[in-house]
Amino acid sequence: GENVEQHPSTLSVQEGDSAVIKCTYSDSASNYFPWYKQELGKRPQLIIDIRSNVGEKKDQRIAVTLNKTAKHFSLHITETQPEDSAVYFCAASGATGANNLFFGTGTRLTVIP
Amino acid sequence: KAGVTQTPRYLIKTRGQQVTLSCSPISGHRSVSWYQQTPGQGLQFLFEYFSETQRNKGNFPGRFSGRQFSNSRSEMNVSTLELGDSALYLCASSPEDMNTEAFFGQGTRLTVV
Repeated sequence: GENVEQHPSTLSVQEGDSAVIKCTYSDSASNYFPWYKQELGKRPQLIIDIRSNVGEKKDQRIAVTLNKTAKHFSLHITETQPEDSAVYFCAASGATGANNLFFGTGTRLTVIP
Repeated sequence: KAGVTQTPRYLIKTRGQQVTLSCSPISGHRSVSWYQQTPGQGLQFLFEYFSETQRNKGNFPGRFSGRQFSNSRSEMNVSTLELGDSALYLCASSPEDMNTEAFFGQGTRLTVV
């Protein structure tokens, strides 16, 4: 099955700096890669996603890049703000024609004011 | 539209008992998937249903089972509870039949004592 690795597990940045989280996946048939943000005690919420036919996608301060050849994708957050502090999860779709996601182990991002 | 609703929010059970958790998806969503979230293992896929059919199942023992009704509501059942089953159980619904974003519910926090 799919195996998703995520790094780093914790990340601290100063407010206004950029944050980068990286993930790798194992199944070359995966074609959907979402990123979720989970605040303490709350549900995971989708912040951005990318499909395998696209190399980069941007939404305001958030961007995701995908390298299918190398099987890795990254989340970039620019101009970080304290409210960006949360746990971020990357995920890759299973290649079984269903809605099942394989998640990375999460990155705890702390933005220091 | 109402979001994904899970009941109950909290549950305490004794080892050996069984438990049933409920999930009501977003109106119009026919795909429902279940995940187990623990501090040690992160988010792990349990199973996914689409139009009352289980399409995919994760690597969990047979004590974990589920079903989906004609109105897309879903239940998951865990029999012969073990201490290690203590976790946050998250349900997610998706608008399309495969590889689309998952909208998560608030989860059911299960504690086995």
